[in-house]
Amino acid sequence: AQSVTQLGSHVSVSEGALVLLRCNYSSSVPPYLFWYVQYPNQGLQLLLKYTSAATLVKGINGFEAEFKKSETSFHLTKPSAHMSDAAEYFCAVTTGANSKLTFGKGITLSVRP
Amino acid sequence: GAVVSQHPSWVICKSGTSVKIECRSLDFQATTMFWYRQFPKQSLMLMATSNEGSKATYEQGVEKDKFLINHASLTLSTLTVTSAHPEDSSFYICSARGGQSGGNQPQHFGDGTRLSIL
Repeated sequence: AQSVTQLGSHVSVSEGALVLLRCNYSSSVPPYLFWYVQYPNQGLQLLLKYTSAATLVKGINGFEAEFKKSETSFHLTKPSAHMSDAAEYFCAVTTGANSKLTFGKGITLSVRP
Repeated sequence: GAVVSQHPSWVICKSGTSVKIECRSLDFQATTMFWYRQFPKQSLMLMATSNEGSKATYEQGVEKDKFLINHASLTLSTLTVTSAHPEDSSFYICSARGGQSGGNQPQHFGDGTRLSIL
């Protein structure tokens, strides 16, 4: 079985500040991990993915995430928040076995001027 | 690349009617497509998985006679909500994945369909 935990439902940062969105996973086999962003009334857009290559993954819009097996974490970061980053962020996990994505409950990111 | 088009984006209809939602992969062949339902301020709930040319696999608790899924080609899947009622109102999102089955291929999502049943 696989699961994702995204603690908290809302993160608020000032424009220009560091963004840190936490994701912890549980998987009985090596996982594949993804971060998606969802803007209001839209589908999900892939930010980045970890597929057992480099543990530090760079994505679009300046986001990156680091896979830490010892901590079972895949936290999403961005050095400097922009107003356009305000959205809902979902962490997701899957394995090669069933290929279904299991999503976390999502985190709303707000960016203050 | 990897664009998924979902249509319509918004539909309002009377209770008892059937509604068809289309999901197309525009620039890749989608061996697998997924249909999700999302309630306000909640995560995505997987409804079913479909492989081209095969019957869809429904998640537990999803009525297959209520939510008809067809994946007739490598670029098109449809979800038909039959005899829709107000409780079926929701945001429906499709996703598509190309290549061989395997978790390392990301799913690419459509923009969703807002369904409102009066």
